Amino acid sequence: SQQGEEDPQALSIQEGENATMNCSYKTSINNLQWYRQNSGRGLVHLILIRSNEREKHSGRLRVTLDTSKKSSSLLITASRAADTASYFCATALKPRGSARQLTFGSGTQLTVLP
Amino acid sequence: NAGVTQTPKFRVLKTGQSMTLLCAQDMNHEYMYWYRQDPGMGLRLIHYSVGEGTTAKGEVPDGYNVSRLKKQNFLLGLESAAPSQTSVYFCASSYGSLSPLHFGNGTRLTVT
Repeated sequence: SQQGEEDPQALSIQEGENATMNCSYKTSINNLQWYRQNSGRGLVHLILIRSNEREKHSGRLRVTLDTSKKSSSLLITASRAADTASYFCATALKPRGSARQLTFGSGTQLTVLP
Repeated sequence: NAGVTQTPKFRVLKTGQSMTLLCAQDMNHEYMYWYRQDPGMGLRLIHYSVGEGTTAKGEVPDGYNVSRLKKQNFLLGLESAAPSQTSVYFCASSYGSLSPLHFGNGTRLTVT
């Protein structure tokens, strides 16, 4: 089963508007990461937020983390057509072994209309 | 600086055939991973490696084998391909177990 689940599955907005995507997860995490995937390409890391952080910014990106609700949100401000992509959250867990693994959600498809 | 390079980019196999997917990274990362991506399923971890000579099973390891003979290379093998293995395969690497992943651009595999 998926550890992280993004919501909504698809989002369509006009250029210049803000886009908000949410991620919910089930178990305790060490950190949560957001990635972007353009069509036909690999995932690209956007931002990492640790479990003891509540908010983080990177350019037009703002990520929040609420560990009590086991949820995170990614806000893209002043969106551009080039922001059209799939966005994934990934949670860093600790399985029974010594190595931690990232578990990905199924993603939000963002379309920014010019 | 190439990052993570995957070969081939596309491949079509018949059921029962075998193949090896190659992944190379030039960032001196200890950790390497193989994921598969299917529509509506996100990415699922197949196998991973925490260093040269080590491998470990991920979430969906059945039907796949891996090897990490050199630190920079991580090979994914399919011994007897099945249609259920039709997918896009991504290799990734990271500096540490909690660090951001660097992905290759994927291999699209079709098994008929």
